Amino acid sequence: GQSLEQPSEVTAVEGAIVQMNCTYQTSGFYGLSWYQQHDGGAPTFLSYNALDGLEETGRFSSFLSRSDSYGYLLLQELQMKDSASYFCAARRSNYQLIWGAGTKLIIKP
Amino acid sequence: DTAVSQTPKYLVTQMGNDKSIKCEQNLGHDTMYWYKQDSKKFLKIMFSYNNKELIINETVPNRFSPKSPDKAHLNLHINSLELGDSAVYFCASRTGGVTGELFFGEGSRLTVL
Repeated sequence: GQSLEQPSEVTAVEGAIVQMNCTYQTSGFYGLSWYQQHDGGAPTFLSYNALDGLEETGRFSSFLSRSDSYGYLLLQELQMKDSASYFCAARRSNYQLIWGAGTKLIIKP
Repeated sequence: DTAVSQTPKYLVTQMGNDKSIKCEQNLGHDTMYWYKQDSKKFLKIMFSYNNKELIINETVPNRFSPKSPDKAHLNLHINSLELGDSAVYFCASRTGGVTGELFFGEGSRLTVL
């Protein structure tokens, strides 16, 4: 079947670096997307990886390894406003997205 | 200007009632979606329309009926509401680019009593 696995919760300290992992099992895989959702808010797009390697956008980086069916989202210089849920989603050939259950990031001062 | 807007933002209603949620996007996207997010935060796709045509219809009770009068609008009507329908319903539209980025509305929180 199609599935994505994410840790349910990750805790980190303000100013630190955190990595949130995502493993996927998806046929017709095209790429991996990441979305951020604050409590009470809507998911917002963060990044998309179609090729192996690291993509960097400011404090956020996303990594993909197709051979390992694995990706991660890296957040640097953590700020309290980064407290949110982070979803990975595997894009299939017809633009269909298979979603992970999300990782809740808790940041402590 | 809001890119994807949904109304109403909150809905509280009794079991057995019928309710509708409206969605409009001003991004010029061809594809729109309805997602359901339950209390455990899992995002479940319900329907997808491309240029007014239904392209994804997941295993959803037929009490749920989407309608797309034009490619900028996608509404959701729910008949005979049940307690298990309580959730946040998100409308989204998709860019046609490589990333397939979804733009979500603010969500409509439905509570069935």
